[in-house]
Amino acid sequence: GENVEQHPSTLSVQEGDSAVIKCTYSDSASNYFPWYKQELGKGPQLIIDIRSNVGEKKDQRIAVTLNKTAKHFSLHITETQPEDSAVYFCAASMGSNYQLIWGAGTKLIIKP
Amino acid sequence: DVKVTQSSRYLVKRTGEKVFLECVQDMDHENMFWYRQDPGLGLRLIYFSYDVKMKEKGDIPEGYSVSREKKERFSLILESASTNQTSMYLCASSSSSEGMLRGYTFGSGTRLTVV
Repeated sequence: GENVEQHPSTLSVQEGDSAVIKCTYSDSASNYFPWYKQELGKGPQLIIDIRSNVGEKKDQRIAVTLNKTAKHFSLHITETQPEDSAVYFCAASMGSNYQLIWGAGTKLIIKP
Repeated sequence: DVKVTQSSRYLVKRTGEKVFLECVQDMDHENMFWYRQDPGLGLRLIYFSYDVKMKEKGDIPEGYSVSREKKERFSLILESASTNQTSMYLCASSSSSEGMLRGYTFGSGTRLTVV
């Protein structure tokens, strides 16, 4: 079946450094790619998304890039801060079914 | 602020009990979803609904059923709770108007413990 692979499963970076999380998808019909942040004890929250007609999108310290040919997309966080510590999930739309297929999650740890 | 509200943050139930988890959204979204989240297993889809009175099985529907009598409310039912259903349950909703999927909005989750 269709799937999304997410790497790494855990990422530890020094405060102020950049963090990059990568995802690969299998469904060539996927056209919507959101990223979610889940803090401890809370539900996931949408932080940024990108559609297949765009190669890159930026929102302050967060950016997402998409390579449709290679079927992968990445989340970039610059100037990391302690409040960036969380679990991050990527997802890809499942063809025309309006569902999302989820990556397994990345635990991001920001070291002071 | 738009919201998905799950009725309970924490629940403790006994094995064999019938359990109802309620979810309400105020965004007039067509689509609603129930996931369970377990350490190391990510988000697993239990059931979803595209419209009132419609339901579709997700990846792990066994032991669960759902009800959607009104657009804003989507209920997850554990017919006879078992200890392996101890988990975090997340409800989400989304809009796919004009044929375009938009991001999900999640509730805060219900942590269910079956003893």
